[in-house]
Amino acid sequence: EPEVTQTPSHQVTQMGQEVILRCVPISNHLYFYWYRQILGQKVEFLVSFYNNEISEKSEIFDDQFSVERPDGSNFTLKIRSTKLEDSAMYFCASSSLGGRTEQFFGPGTRLTVL
Amino acid sequence: QQQVKQSPQSLIVQKGGIPIINCAYENTAFDYFPWYQQFPGKGPALLIAIRPDVSEKKEGRFTISFNKSAKQFSLHIMDSQPGDSATYFCAASGAGSYQLTFGKGTKLSVIP
Repeated sequence: EPEVTQTPSHQVTQMGQEVILRCVPISNHLYFYWYRQILGQKVEFLVSFYNNEISEKSEIFDDQFSVERPDGSNFTLKIRSTKLEDSAMYFCASSSLGGRTEQFFGPGTRLTVL
Repeated sequence: QQQVKQSPQSLIVQKGGIPIINCAYENTAFDYFPWYQQFPGKGPALLIAIRPDVSEKKEGRFTISFNKSAKQFSLHIMDSQPGDSATYFCAASGAGSYQLTFGKGTKLSVIP
């Protein structure tokens, strides 16, 4: 069964460093998303991406964040200068259609900022 | 306006019991209401979803009840099993939006 994969599973970084979280969405999907979940809190939407551009983003997704689809399979989230409060589980998701269709989530990358 | 409020935060039931998890929303533009199940170390996985044109939807042992006028929806798990022990999230999405707005989650424990 096709699935969304994410690497690394755990990333530890120093405050102020840049991190890139990687995702391989399901191959025939066209819509890609990043969500995050701070420990003990709800899953929060960050950004959606379609046709090589951002289609929607939340207020969390500020200038420190960027997304990219560098090739036909990968989808990345870059945090330019990490802060302590960026520590969270980051989930990538993909869907075949936008809007009210099933979003398939990856297992997540746990980001720890020291 | 964008919030989805979920309760209870945690729930313990005996095997065979019927746990009920409730969610409420404020944004009347929401028109898609999925429930996700998450096991430790895994990402959320879609369990069942409903649109507001129906009041109830069943898939196997899982049922969503939807009350449009009250802006509430709930998940019932019939004949619950220890394997159902997981965290359950309700979510909502509106027309023209790509994002899912999640509730805070309910940690369900089904004890044998």
